[in-house]
Amino acid sequence: QQPVQSPQAVILREGEDAVINCSSSKALYSVHWYRQKHGEAPVFLMILLKGGEQKGHDKISASFNEKKQQSSLYLTASQLSYSGTYFCGTRRLSGNTGKLIFGQGTTLQVKP
Amino acid sequence: KAGVTQTPRYLIKTRGQQVTLSCSPISGHRSVSWYQQTPGQGLQFLFEYFSETQRNKGNFPGRFSGRQFSNSRSEMNVSTLELGDSALYLCASSLLPLGTDNSPLHFGNGTRLTVT
Repeated sequence: QQPVQSPQAVILREGEDAVINCSSSKALYSVHWYRQKHGEAPVFLMILLKGGEQKGHDKISASFNEKKQQSSLYLTASQLSYSGTYFCGTRRLSGNTGKLIFGQGTTLQVKP
Repeated sequence: KAGVTQTPRYLIKTRGQQVTLSCSPISGHRSVSWYQQTPGQGLQFLFEYFSETQRNKGNFPGRFSGRQFSNSRSEMNVSTLELGDSALYLCASSLLPLGTDNSPLHFGNGTRLTVT
């Protein structure tokens, strides 16, 4: 079951904030976040484990709400370099836990 | 440390043909997973190999197959190509099996396959 990301696309001005959500209908054990710039390979951002742990990476942070089976990625004071497509990858708590299932992606464009 | 290398970068094939894509993981990484990327669909999981064994398979027809060699290099084969197989195929390597906590994926730049 593919997780659902929202919004599908967002356009920001430099310095503005954004939130990208990743929701699953299945109980999750962990959520991965990756960013892919146009024409490049996806790059790892962070992994969140169940337990509601919040992580940060420079001005990008994320949380995992296991009650809602939702993870949110927070981009603060966005920079031009944040532009790209963001993917969440989810690992289920039970069933086939050996797969990482990705959402359809959220395209972020930061303008000067 | 060299990254994940995928060859070739671009391929153009006609319907009915078959194709083989190659992926060399980061040195020391034993897990290689493959993904199909198309606009609006995100990254669709194809399969994962760890230590030459297929651990998991996605929901793709049997025309899609793969293998992993003793040096962890992996190949993906698609037989009887269809127009809908046109996509960017990405492979990713990781130190531990897919889904293991704190074992991130390292992606290659992909192979762009066009089927005409």
